[in-house]
Amino acid sequence: GAGVSQSPSNKVTEKGKDVELRCDPISGHTALYWYRQSLGQGLEFLIYFQGNSAPDKSGLPSDRFSAERTGGSVSTLTIQRTQQEDSAVYLCASSLGLHPDTQYFGPGTRLTVL
Amino acid sequence: DAKTTQPNSMESNEEEPVHLPCNHSTISGTDYIHWYRQLPSQGPEYVIHGLTSNVNNRMASLAIAEDRKSSTLILHRATLRDAAVYYCIPPVQGAQKLVFGQGTRLTINP
Repeated sequence: GAGVSQSPSNKVTEKGKDVELRCDPISGHTALYWYRQSLGQGLEFLIYFQGNSAPDKSGLPSDRFSAERTGGSVSTLTIQRTQQEDSAVYLCASSLGLHPDTQYFGPGTRLTVL
Repeated sequence: DAKTTQPNSMESNEEEPVHLPCNHSTISGTDYIHWYRQLPSQGPEYVIHGLTSNVNNRMASLAIAEDRKSSTLILHRATLRDAAVYYCIPPVQGAQKLVFGQGTRLTINP
């Protein structure tokens, strides 16, 4: 079946611009996660959705980062006023929300801020 | 929260078994240990998880020490496609997120 998809696969933007990254989870998965992976920081958690609510936003690095999920499905991660340190691969994962759980990752969006 | 320790890198030969160790000495009795791996230029993928007894699936086996303070991921016959970074993921109390450390970078020689 279809896995987690993300778009765009690559995004190049100028410092100060806003960007939106999209994640389409596996159908029926109630839990959705955003992570990012950069050379200096490794793989780090950003935010977790259960349905449309976000009970864990502890990984968002600043108030320039926000995310929403509508209809319990698609999620959008928005970065406002991008900075060069935001350059990273942004990964989305989804799961059934069970315990123990298995997360299925998308291919990621590579963001480059010039 | 439990923490894990893994070697930074390991190397093995194609078609030989590989044993990837993980120390998780602070794990509690009800915590599962998960393993994920990340192939080059791809997102992480689930490998296996376990609680107390050894576990097997089509990808690998997981041997968990009797005291649960360590575990070993076993690839029975490594192929070149198994070259990846392998992450032993500690459980996070009350949270669903995965906490990735540096993992073990596995190199497979032809």
